[in-house]
Amino acid sequence: KQEVTQIPAALSVPEGENLVLNCSFTDSAIYNLQWFRQDPGKGLTSLLLIQSSQREQTSGRLNASLDKSSGRSTLYIAASQPGDSATYLCAATMDSNYQLIWGAGTKLIIKP
Amino acid sequence: NAGVTQTPKFQVLKTGQSMTLQCAQDMNHNSMYWYRQDPGMGLRLIYYSASEGTTDKGEVPNGYNVSRLNKREFSLRLESAAPSQTSVYFCASSEQGGWAEAFFGQGTRLTVV
Repeated sequence: KQEVTQIPAALSVPEGENLVLNCSFTDSAIYNLQWFRQDPGKGLTSLLLIQSSQREQTSGRLNASLDKSSGRSTLYIAASQPGDSATYLCAATMDSNYQLIWGAGTKLIIKP
Repeated sequence: NAGVTQTPKFQVLKTGQSMTLQCAQDMNHNSMYWYRQDPGMGLRLIYYSASEGTTDKGEVPNGYNVSRLNKREFSLRLESAAPSQTSVYFCASSEQGGWAEAFFGQGTRLTVV
């Protein structure tokens, strides 16, 4: 059974730092991996989707990578800003079952 | 560009009451989902509809029913609300299941007293 893990559960860094959020999965037979952002009291916003055939996707200051062999995806945030403070969730889709399998999220706080 | 719209945003129910949560998407997506989100439990799938005319149980379907009214609309019904159903409910849609980018509504915060 596929499991998706995000460590740490919370992270606090000073503004301006580059940072990496981690997402691990147990089964390498994934179809894609998605990263989402959730602001308090709000819904989830899709940030990046990486297909299994891709290694990276970029959007502005965000870069997501995928390494199926190691069972890991990372979300890199460059030059962090207080507005980046949110909970970041990753979700994997398997080849055999197109439901999303969710991590529990990393709550990110960027200190001004 | 509305995306996924959920109503209501907030609701308080008494134990045993029933209600229907409404969800509509304007992106012509095939797949729609209902999730609940609880502190420490993450997102859990209640029901999903892979395409118009089909619905399937997710991880936590007990106490809920769904209707895929048409391609745009997917409703979630609580027949007899229980305090354990106090949660934040999210509707989501995608072009084709988890194989495509998912879009979420703003959520319904439900309290059952």
